[in-house]
Amino acid sequence: KAGVTQTPRYLIKTRGQQVTLSCSPISGHRSVSWYQQTPGQGLQFLFEYFSETQRNKGNFPGRFSGRQFSNSRSEMNVSTLELGDSALYLCASTDRQGANTQYFGPGTRLTVL
Amino acid sequence: AQKITQTQPGMFVQEKEAVTLDCTYDTSDPSYGLFWYKQPSSGEMIFLIYQGSYDQQNATEGRYSLNFQKARKSANLVISASQLGDSAMYFCAMREGRPDSNYQLIWGAGTKLIIKP
Repeated sequence: KAGVTQTPRYLIKTRGQQVTLSCSPISGHRSVSWYQQTPGQGLQFLFEYFSETQRNKGNFPGRFSGRQFSNSRSEMNVSTLELGDSALYLCASTDRQGANTQYFGPGTRLTVL
Repeated sequence: AQKITQTQPGMFVQEKEAVTLDCTYDTSDPSYGLFWYKQPSSGEMIFLIYQGSYDQQNATEGRYSLNFQKARKSANLVISASQLGDSAMYFCAMREGRPDSNYQLIWGAGTKLIIKP
């Protein structure tokens, strides 16, 4: 099976702009989670989607939003970008079997100038 | 309080030696899961091993084993016969609650492991 894919891999934006990141889960996985990774804060949970519904949300401002489509692909959007939004954004999909292990994509590295 | 603590920011280990990466956790939930992931410099998070709170035996996956000491709330990763390709960041993560109830992982700060030839 193909792994989790994320596009684009790299993005450079300026403050105030908005950005949309995309994630395609492993075939058959219906749950998608998003994480932000920064040197200062480490890995932090953003939100999780299952069957097009957001089931859980981390402690991030409303500028961070997401959605999931009927084919389980997910997008996250960050509006009004700030310098502090520069990070590696990781998407993970879950098989919902046994341990419900999360399998990660390669990430999107966002730089805000 | 930190829920996941990894006390070793960095480690140097000679190739072919075994290495133990420390992880302690804090939760009051009787059901939880502990995960270890490897993150090479490329950035992708690679799943290594899982231990459930009710699992009676320590988990093993090839060269990886998890030394699970429930009373001490410790879940150390052991890598046997280390290889140069093991050089990476290693993260311990916890899921609180039953596997089907919660998909949020709580992460430690990570340990940077460097294998010396």
